Amino acid sequence: EPEVTQTPSHQVTQMGQEVILRCVPISNHLYFYWYRQILGQKVEFLVSFYNNEISEKSEIFDDQFSVERPDGSNFTLKIRSTKLEDSAMYFCASSDTGGNRFNEQFFGPGTRLTVL
Amino acid sequence: ELKVEQNPLFLSMQEGKNYTIYCNYSTTSDRLYWYRQDPGKSLESLFVLLSNGAVKQEGRLMASLDTKARLSTLHITAAVHDLSATYFCAVDLTSGTYKYIFGTGTRLKVLA
Repeated sequence: EPEVTQTPSHQVTQMGQEVILRCVPISNHLYFYWYRQILGQKVEFLVSFYNNEISEKSEIFDDQFSVERPDGSNFTLKIRSTKLEDSAMYFCASSDTGGNRFNEQFFGPGTRLTVL
Repeated sequence: ELKVEQNPLFLSMQEGKNYTIYCNYSTTSDRLYWYRQDPGKSLESLFVLLSNGAVKQEGRLMASLDTKARLSTLHITAAVHDLSATYFCAVDLTSGTYKYIFGTGTRLKVLA
């Protein structure tokens, strides 16, 4: 069964460093998402991406964050200068439709980011 | 802004007992999802509810959706220890936005 994959599973970085989290969405999906979950809290939407541009972003997704689809298979989340409060589990998701149509999103296993 | 609230936040129950987790949301939607999350793990899809009155069952879990009341329930029948996890509901708005709004989560512990 097709699935969303993410690498690395755990990333440890120093505050102020740049990190790139990688995702490979399901191959025929067109919509891509990043969510994050701070330890012990709920899952929060960060950004959605379609047709090589951001469709929607949350207040969390400030100028320190960017997303890119550098090739036909990968979808990346970059944090330019990490802060302690960026420590969280980051989930990538993908879906084959969006908006008003049925939009089941399939989630990857997550990348745990630890900022020291 | 859509709010999705679950209660209870924490639930400790004995094996063999029944209980219901509630998910209330604050705006119109007829698409709701339930997920299970084990500690440090990803989100496992449990149920997809796409219309008012939808009811789905899998094993000891049954989910329902009442869009008029803006309420979904996840009912646990004869709980077993393996059901211990955190359960999230997520609402998918029907207004053209693409994001899921997750509930606060219910941490369930089933005591043997």
